[in-house]
Amino acid sequence: EVQLVESGGGLVQPGRSLKLSCAASGFTFSDYAMAWVRQAPKKGLEWVATIIYDGSSTYYRDSVKGRFTISRDNAKSTLYLQMDSLRSEDTATYYCARHDDQFGAPFDYWGQGVMVTVSS
Amino acid sequence: DIVLTQSPALAVSLGQRATISCRASQSVSTSSYNLMHWYQQKPGQQPKLLIYDASNLASSIPARFSGSGSGTDFTLTINPVQADDIATYYCQQSRELPLTFGSGTKLEIK
Repeated sequence: EVQLVESGGGLVQPGRSLKLSCAASGFTFSDYAMAWVRQAPKKGLEWVATIIYDGSSTYYRDSVKGRFTISRDNAKSTLYLQMDSLRSEDTATYYCARHDDQFGAPFDYWGQGVMVTVSS
Repeated sequence: DIVLTQSPALAVSLGQRATISCRASQSVSTSSYNLMHWYQQKPGQQPKLLIYDASNLASSIPARFSGSGSGTDFTLTINPVQADDIATYYCQQSRELPLTFGSGTKLEIK
């Protein structure tokens, strides 16, 4: 059974940093591109970043470029999102999601999400 | 960015057909694929993939769900609607970066 379990969320002040993790199991993690998708309270879904299967390429939405870094450790089957210079508009539930195959494929499995609140 | 437009809400009676539309600001189709996907999200839960590449049913999704469309106009159909289908439905394109989602259509029971 495919499982994606996020951790690392919480309350953080504007301008500070936070690192999210997503532990994957039930599939060969190194075969798939992975992504982070977020959802602000009572709002819709917003793609944040994607990393391809071997970590050699990454893609970001413009609003997080230069502030967020997506990475992966295939030996640990874990996906990360380092979030720096956080802003109030980054407040959201962050989902770890698997691309069905490689980048561009739909998100076929999602974690349960982790809440990030940016507030003073 | 490719903007995906969905109606905010749709009310249908149980046992009837629900048709949810998604219009893209530019084509999301290639010569081989229609790169539009549909997700269901129930309150307090993560999204679930329903339909990929416009018309392909994802694993374990009941045949009551179907998708169609190409270019800029796409449709998700639920027939017949059951009580368990009450949720918000999102379309998503993977034709180009940034990957974008529609704003969601909330399915309500009439």
